[in-house]
Amino acid sequence: GQQVMQIPQYQHVQEGEDFTTYCNSSTTLSNIQWYKQRPGGHPVFLIQLVKSGEVKKQKRLTFQFGEAKKNSSLHITATQTTDVGTYFCAGGDTGTASKLTFGTGTRLQVTL
Amino acid sequence: GAVVSQHPSWVICKSGTSVKIECRSLDFQATTMFWYRQFPKQSLMLMATSNEGSKATYEQGVEKDKFLINHASLTLSTLTVTSAHPEDSSFYICSARDFVQGAPPQFFGPGTRLTVL
Repeated sequence: GQQVMQIPQYQHVQEGEDFTTYCNSSTTLSNIQWYKQRPGGHPVFLIQLVKSGEVKKQKRLTFQFGEAKKNSSLHITATQTTDVGTYFCAGGDTGTASKLTFGTGTRLQVTL
Repeated sequence: GAVVSQHPSWVICKSGTSVKIECRSLDFQATTMFWYRQFPKQSLMLMATSNEGSKATYEQGVEKDKFLINHASLTLSTLTVTSAHPEDSSFYICSARDFVQGAPPQFFGPGTRLTVL
């Protein structure tokens, strides 16, 4: 079945440093979504990318969808302590676009 | 934005008992809801897709007789964990789709933490 892997599993940065998490799917996706989950909380939707090669920005966050629609990345510029949490990508199935396969997640820790 | 609620937020039960978890879309109608399970420090695993008025579609490896799903209305889906065992202890999260244009693909509920003793 479809597998979605993320690297790194965990990253610890100092506030102000940049952070990137990479997402790779074993199959072509119809779309890629990104979620943030704070400790003890539930996933909160960040963004959806649909087009091949698409790049979207949200303030300090930059999201990319690969040309082959099998990989994606999330880059955070100048991290802040409020960025702490686990970032999941989730791939939308080409057959049933509603169904999501979540990536393995990257846990980000930010210290002063 | 759209809100999805879950009840209860946490539950502790004895082994062998059944537990029902409710998922409600509060301000929109959801023909499709999803049930996920998340073990500590792991990702979300889709258990089943719940469709209003029809049988749920279960993912491979998920026992449909153990995890009973009912989606009787456009705003309510329930997950019943039957004859719960300690290995069923997990964080159960539902999500729902609002098909309004421009809305996020899925809204997640706050989750239900189940502990089976």
